[in-house]
Amino acid sequence: EPEVTQTPSHQVTQMGQEVILRCVPISNHLYFYWYRQILGQKVEFLVSFYNNEISEKSEIFDDQFSVERPDGSNFTLKIRSTKLEDSAMYFCASSERTGGINEAFFGQGTRLTVV
Amino acid sequence: AQSVAQPEDQVNVAEGNPLTVKCTYSVSGNPYLFWYVQYPNRGLQFLLKYITGDNLVKGSYGFEAEFNKSQTSFHLKKPSALVSDSALYFCAVRDPNKAAGNKLTFGGGTRVLVKP
Repeated sequence: EPEVTQTPSHQVTQMGQEVILRCVPISNHLYFYWYRQILGQKVEFLVSFYNNEISEKSEIFDDQFSVERPDGSNFTLKIRSTKLEDSAMYFCASSERTGGINEAFFGQGTRLTVV
Repeated sequence: AQSVAQPEDQVNVAEGNPLTVKCTYSVSGNPYLFWYVQYPNRGLQFLLKYITGDNLVKGSYGFEAEFNKSQTSFHLKKPSALVSDSALYFCAVRDPNKAAGNKLTFGGGTRVLVKP
Protein backbone atom coordinates (compact mmCIF):
# COMPACT_ATOMS: atom_id res chain seq x y z
CA GLU A 1 0.00 0.00 0.00
CA PRO A 2 1.45 3.40 -0.93
CA GLU A 3 2.32 5.65 1.97
CA VAL A 4 3.65 9.07 2.83
CA THR A 5 7.17 8.89 4.23
CA GLN A 6 8.92 11.49 6.35
CA THR A 7 12.51 11.96 7.34
CA PRO A 8 14.00 12.24 9.84
CA SER A 9 11.75 10.68 12.44
CA HIS A 10 13.31 12.83 15.14
CA GLN A 11 15.37 16.00 14.84
CA VAL A 12 17.00 17.96 17.62
CA THR A 13 18.19 21.46 16.79
CA GLN A 14 19.45 24.50 18.61
CA MET A 15 17.32 27.59 18.83
CA GLY A 16 18.00 29.91 15.91
CA GLN A 17 19.12 27.16 13.58
CA GLU A 18 17.46 26.32 10.29
CA VAL A 19 15.79 22.95 9.87
CA ILE A 20 14.39 21.21 6.84
CA LEU A 21 11.82 18.48 7.27
CA ARG A 22 11.42 16.15 4.34
CA CYS A 23 8.46 14.25 2.98
CA VAL A 24 7.80 11.98 0.05
CA PRO A 25 4.06 12.13 -0.71
CA ILE A 26 2.16 9.37 -2.47
CA SER A 27 3.21 9.45 -6.09
CA ASN A 28 -0.06 10.23 -7.89
CA HIS A 29 -1.26 12.76 -5.33
CA LEU A 30 -1.56 16.40 -6.24
CA TYR A 31 -2.20 18.20 -2.96
CA PHE A 32 0.40 18.33 -0.22
CA TYR A 33 0.10 19.57 3.35
CA TRP A 34 1.96 20.18 6.54
CA TYR A 35 0.33 19.93 9.94
CA ARG A 36 1.85 20.09 13.36
CA GLN A 37 0.94 18.81 16.80
CA ILE A 38 2.46 20.40 19.85
CA LEU A 39 2.64 17.90 22.68
CA GLY A 40 -0.77 17.51 24.30
CA GLN A 41 -2.48 19.84 21.86
CA LYS A 42 -4.56 19.58 18.71
CA VAL A 43 -3.28 18.73 15.26
CA GLU A 44 -3.05 22.12 13.52
CA PHE A 45 -3.00 22.94 9.84
CA LEU A 46 0.04 24.83 8.59
CA VAL A 47 -0.05 24.95 4.82
CA SER A 48 -1.38 23.32 1.67
CA PHE A 49 0.47 23.23 -1.63
CA TYR A 50 -0.77 22.56 -5.13
CA ASN A 51 0.64 23.09 -8.58
CA ASN A 52 3.92 24.36 -7.16
CA GLU A 53 2.44 27.06 -5.04
CA ILE A 54 0.85 27.56 -1.66
CA SER A 55 -2.93 27.28 -1.91
CA GLU A 56 -3.74 27.99 1.72
CA LYS A 57 -1.83 28.74 4.89
CA SER A 58 -2.66 29.31 8.52
CA GLU A 59 -1.63 32.20 10.74
CA ILE A 60 1.01 29.90 12.22
CA PHE A 61 2.76 29.76 8.86
CA ASP A 62 4.65 33.03 9.09
CA ASP A 63 7.76 34.26 7.31
CA GLN A 64 9.91 31.81 9.23
CA PHE A 65 8.29 28.93 7.37
CA SER A 66 8.57 27.96 3.75
CA VAL A 67 7.68 24.94 1.65
CA GLU A 68 9.17 23.63 -1.52
CA ARG A 69 8.79 20.79 -3.94
CA PRO A 70 12.37 20.69 -5.22
CA ASP A 71 11.83 17.74 -7.52
CA GLY A 72 9.09 15.38 -8.59
CA SER A 73 8.97 13.44 -5.39
CA ASN A 74 10.02 15.45 -2.34
CA PHE A 75 8.09 18.05 -0.40
CA THR A 76 9.95 20.00 2.26
CA LEU A 77 9.14 22.30 5.15
CA LYS A 78 11.85 24.75 6.15
CA ILE A 79 11.95 26.67 9.37
CA ARG A 80 14.52 29.44 9.02
CA SER A 81 15.30 30.30 12.60
CA THR A 82 13.80 27.84 15.03
CA LYS A 83 12.24 28.89 18.30
CA LEU A 84 11.58 26.81 21.37
CA GLU A 85 7.86 26.94 20.61
CA ASP A 86 8.44 25.25 17.25
CA SER A 87 9.01 22.00 19.13
CA ALA A 88 6.26 19.71 17.92
CA MET A 89 5.44 16.68 15.82
CA TYR A 90 5.22 17.73 12.18
CA PHE A 91 3.04 15.69 9.86
CA CYS A 92 3.16 15.72 6.11
CA ALA A 93 0.07 14.63 4.19
CA SER A 94 -1.07 14.28 0.61
CA SER A 95 -4.36 13.79 -1.18
CA GLU A 96 -5.42 12.78 -4.59
CA ARG A 97 -7.31 15.56 -6.28
CA THR A 98 -7.76 19.28 -6.32
CA GLY A 99 -10.77 20.29 -4.29
CA GLY A 100 -11.88 16.71 -4.30
CA ILE A 101 -13.36 15.25 -1.22
CA ASN A 102 -10.54 12.85 -0.84
CA GLU A 103 -9.07 11.91 2.45
CA ALA A 104 -5.57 13.02 3.22
CA PHE A 105 -2.94 10.38 3.88
CA PHE A 106 -0.49 11.25 6.63
CA GLY A 107 3.11 10.33 7.21
CA GLN A 108 4.38 9.03 10.51
CA GLY A 109 5.65 12.45 11.52
CA THR A 110 8.92 14.14 12.40
CA ARG A 111 9.38 15.04 16.01
CA LEU A 112 11.24 18.35 16.16
CA THR A 113 12.87 19.31 19.42
CA VAL A 114 14.32 22.80 19.69
CA VAL A 115 16.75 23.25 22.57
CA ALA B 1 -14.81 29.40 11.21
CA GLN B 2 -15.12 25.64 11.41
CA SER B 3 -14.46 23.78 14.62
CA VAL B 4 -14.62 20.30 16.08
CA ALA B 5 -15.15 19.23 19.66
CA GLN B 6 -14.36 15.87 21.18
CA PRO B 7 -15.80 16.17 24.67
CA GLU B 8 -14.04 13.15 26.17
CA ASP B 9 -10.27 13.10 26.67
CA GLN B 10 -10.37 9.38 27.34
CA VAL B 11 -12.80 6.52 26.90
CA ASN B 12 -12.33 3.25 28.73
CA VAL B 13 -14.15 0.15 27.57
CA ALA B 14 -13.90 -3.57 28.18
CA GLU B 15 -12.96 -5.79 25.27
CA GLY B 16 -16.06 -7.06 23.50
CA ASN B 17 -18.19 -4.13 24.61
CA PRO B 18 -19.47 -1.42 22.28
CA LEU B 19 -17.22 1.57 21.78
CA THR B 20 -18.41 5.12 21.09
CA VAL B 21 -16.20 8.15 20.60
CA LYS B 22 -18.08 11.43 20.45
CA CYS B 23 -17.59 14.29 18.05
CA THR B 24 -19.54 17.47 17.40
CA TYR B 25 -18.77 20.02 14.74
CA SER B 26 -19.48 23.56 13.70
CA VAL B 27 -19.29 24.62 10.07
CA SER B 28 -21.47 26.62 7.74
CA GLY B 29 -23.28 24.42 5.26
CA ASN B 30 -23.09 20.67 4.96
CA PRO B 31 -19.84 19.40 6.43
CA TYR B 32 -17.31 16.93 5.21
CA LEU B 33 -16.36 14.85 8.23
CA PHE B 34 -13.50 12.45 8.86
CA TRP B 35 -12.19 10.13 11.53
CA TYR B 36 -8.51 9.32 11.92
CA VAL B 37 -6.71 7.04 14.35
CA GLN B 38 -3.18 7.43 15.68
CA TYR B 39 -1.33 4.48 17.13
CA PRO B 40 1.80 5.10 19.24
CA ASN B 41 4.72 6.41 17.18
CA ARG B 42 2.65 6.31 14.03
CA GLY B 43 1.02 8.87 11.79
CA LEU B 44 -2.67 9.52 11.44
CA GLN B 45 -4.52 6.73 9.68
CA PHE B 46 -7.76 7.40 7.86
CA LEU B 47 -10.75 5.45 9.17
CA LEU B 48 -13.81 6.82 7.40
CA LYS B 49 -15.49 9.90 6.01
CA TYR B 50 -18.92 11.39 5.52
CA ILE B 51 -19.52 13.49 2.43
CA THR B 52 -23.17 13.02 1.57
CA GLY B 53 -25.82 10.34 1.39
CA ASP B 54 -26.42 7.66 3.97
CA ASN B 55 -25.95 8.99 7.49
CA LEU B 56 -24.30 5.75 8.61
CA VAL B 57 -20.82 5.44 7.22
CA LYS B 58 -18.77 2.26 7.44
CA GLY B 59 -15.00 2.35 7.54
CA SER B 60 -11.87 0.39 8.28
CA TYR B 61 -11.36 -2.15 11.08
CA GLY B 62 -15.10 -2.53 11.75
CA PHE B 63 -15.66 1.11 12.65
CA GLU B 64 -18.68 3.10 11.62
CA ALA B 65 -19.91 6.61 12.28
CA GLU B 66 -23.30 8.23 12.28
CA PHE B 67 -23.84 11.69 10.91
CA ASN B 68 -26.58 13.58 12.72
CA LYS B 69 -27.26 16.95 11.20
CA SER B 70 -29.73 18.16 13.82
CA GLN B 71 -27.28 17.42 16.62
CA THR B 72 -24.22 18.42 14.54
CA SER B 73 -22.57 15.19 15.59
CA PHE B 74 -20.49 12.50 13.98
CA HIS B 75 -19.88 9.86 16.63
CA LEU B 76 -17.55 6.97 15.92
CA LYS B 77 -18.75 3.52 16.90
CA LYS B 78 -17.63 -0.05 16.99
CA PRO B 79 -20.00 -2.81 18.11
CA SER B 80 -17.33 -4.93 19.80
CA ALA B 81 -14.06 -3.32 20.82
CA LEU B 82 -10.69 -5.08 20.66
CA VAL B 83 -7.63 -4.44 22.80
CA SER B 84 -5.84 -3.48 19.58
CA ASP B 85 -8.31 -0.58 19.13
CA SER B 86 -6.53 1.23 21.96
CA ALA B 87 -5.24 4.40 20.32
CA LEU B 88 -5.85 8.12 19.92
CA TYR B 89 -8.84 9.02 17.77
CA PHE B 90 -9.31 12.31 15.96
CA CYS B 91 -12.42 13.74 14.40
CA ALA B 92 -11.90 16.34 11.66
CA VAL B 93 -14.02 18.59 9.51
CA ARG B 94 -13.42 20.17 6.16
CA ASP B 95 -15.22 23.30 5.05
CA PRO B 96 -17.28 22.41 1.95
CA ASN B 97 -17.36 26.07 0.95
CA LYS B 98 -13.65 26.12 0.31
CA ALA B 99 -13.05 25.94 -3.40
CA ALA B 100 -9.49 24.77 -3.14
CA GLY B 101 -7.33 23.07 -0.63
CA ASN B 102 -8.34 20.40 1.72
CA LYS B 103 -7.58 21.91 5.08
CA LEU B 104 -8.78 19.73 7.92
CA THR B 105 -9.70 21.14 11.29
CA PHE B 106 -9.13 18.54 13.99
CA GLY B 107 -10.69 17.95 17.35
CA GLY B 108 -8.49 17.56 20.38
CA GLY B 109 -8.46 13.79 20.21
CA THR B 110 -9.89 11.06 22.42
CA ARG B 111 -7.71 8.37 23.87
CA VAL B 112 -9.40 4.98 23.81
CA LEU B 113 -8.28 2.30 26.20
CA VAL B 114 -9.73 -1.15 25.70
CA LYS B 115 -9.10 -3.46 28.62
CA PRO B 116 -9.00 -7.23 28.28
